[in-house]
Amino acid sequence: GQNIDQPTEMTATEGAIVQINCTYQTSGFNGLFWYQQHAGEAPTFLSYNVLDGLEEKGRFSSFLSRSKGYSYLLLKELQMKDSASYLCAVRVDRGSTLGRLYFGRGTQLTVWP
Amino acid sequence: DGGITQSPKYLFRKEGQNVTLSCEQNLNHDAMYWYRQDPGQGLRLIYYSQIVNDFQKGDIAEGYSVSREKKESFPLTVTSAQKNPTAFYLCASSIAGPLGGGLDTEAFFGQGTRLTVV
Repeated sequence: GQNIDQPTEMTATEGAIVQINCTYQTSGFNGLFWYQQHAGEAPTFLSYNVLDGLEEKGRFSSFLSRSKGYSYLLLKELQMKDSASYLCAVRVDRGSTLGRLYFGRGTQLTVWP
Repeated sequence: DGGITQSPKYLFRKEGQNVTLSCEQNLNHDAMYWYRQDPGQGLRLIYYSQIVNDFQKGDIAEGYSVSREKKESFPLTVTSAQKNPTAFYLCASSIAGPLGGGLDTEAFFGQGTRLTVV
């Protein structure tokens, strides 16, 4: 199986920076995705990393270390609308199975004014 | 507009009845997926299909069935054998992609169907 771990809950204040960590153990790793999900809605794509390093996209950045099985999502200048669940997902390509995503349980972020 | 559509958004059924959830996409994606989401849990894969007329069980396939007769459609049937069917069901699609992966292999999700069995 795949083990994907992320904290259950985090809180932060408006304007602050928050880092959400994700660790994984998997074979056939071929990329890591971060999704944002507001309550009762579909997840929406935030970022993708397949090589080591940092990917920056506006207020959001994502980092990957393949050797450590570790990623983080960094959210800057937090806004109230950033209150949501953040899902870490690992893509596995193994044998004839391509593109299967394994999700962590999600980190519920609450942003306070 | 291209996208993935699930219907209905809310569904109520009596215990012991089978129910089918619809999922349609016009993104020309080969791969389609069904996930179940329960409070405090991540997305768990029920079934997935990488190509028409082929599908594979995910981690929690018992009590569910699917078909993939057309590229655009991947309906999920929740059967009476599913012991705890009340949940939020999400359908997704993606480019199946070569082993090289790539950014365009992200999964696009439908809006979800909240099924309540009473």
